[in-house]
Amino acid sequence: AQSVTQLGSHVSVSEGALVLLRCNYSSSVPPYLFWYVQYPNQGLQLLLKYTSAATLVKGINGFEAEFKKSETSFHLTKPSAHMSDAAEYFCAVSDSGGGADGLTFGKGTHLIIQP
Amino acid sequence: NAGVTQTPKFQVLKTGQSMTLQCAQDMNHEYMSWYRQDPGMGLRLIHYSVGAGITDQGEVPNGYNVSRSTTEDFPLRLLSAAPSQTSVYFCASSASFNEQFFGPGTRLTVL
Repeated sequence: AQSVTQLGSHVSVSEGALVLLRCNYSSSVPPYLFWYVQYPNQGLQLLLKYTSAATLVKGINGFEAEFKKSETSFHLTKPSAHMSDAAEYFCAVSDSGGGADGLTFGKGTHLIIQP
Repeated sequence: NAGVTQTPKFQVLKTGQSMTLQCAQDMNHEYMSWYRQDPGMGLRLIHYSVGAGITDQGEVPNGYNVSRSTTEDFPLRLLSAAPSQTSVYFCASSASFNEQFFGPGTRLTVL
């Protein structure tokens, strides 16, 4: 069975500082990995996805994530935080490419940006 | 394209009442899913469908029914609502091996 662990339910950074959101996964097969962002009272929006083409994945809004098989990790980073990055972030895994049988989500990390 | 639409946006039910949450997509996607989101729990898969006439259970299916008679629609039925079903419900759709597109959600309160 797949599972996702997001370390830290809340992460606080200063505006302009590095953002690092941690995600570790378990999967019995090479996984498909995703990061989604959720702004208050909205649905989920895809930030980026890993589908085995490249280990460093660039997404929208300046975010990127690196797939490290040896560490079973897919951490999300952004070099310089902006106030508009304040949101809930979810890491998700799928064995089937993200479509057929749904996604397994982590519990989420609430990103707080301090002015 | 409207993408994934969900109705209603908000609903309050009494324990024991039934209702159907509607979900529709206009992207001709094969796959559709229902999730519930609870504080500190992330999103958990309720049911999913890989095509018209084909559905299967996810992680938390108890208390919910689904059917998929058309590619576009994937309604979620609560036959006898319970307070434990108070949650935000999201519908999602996707094409093969592609990202899931999420609807705006339905906020359900069961008293």
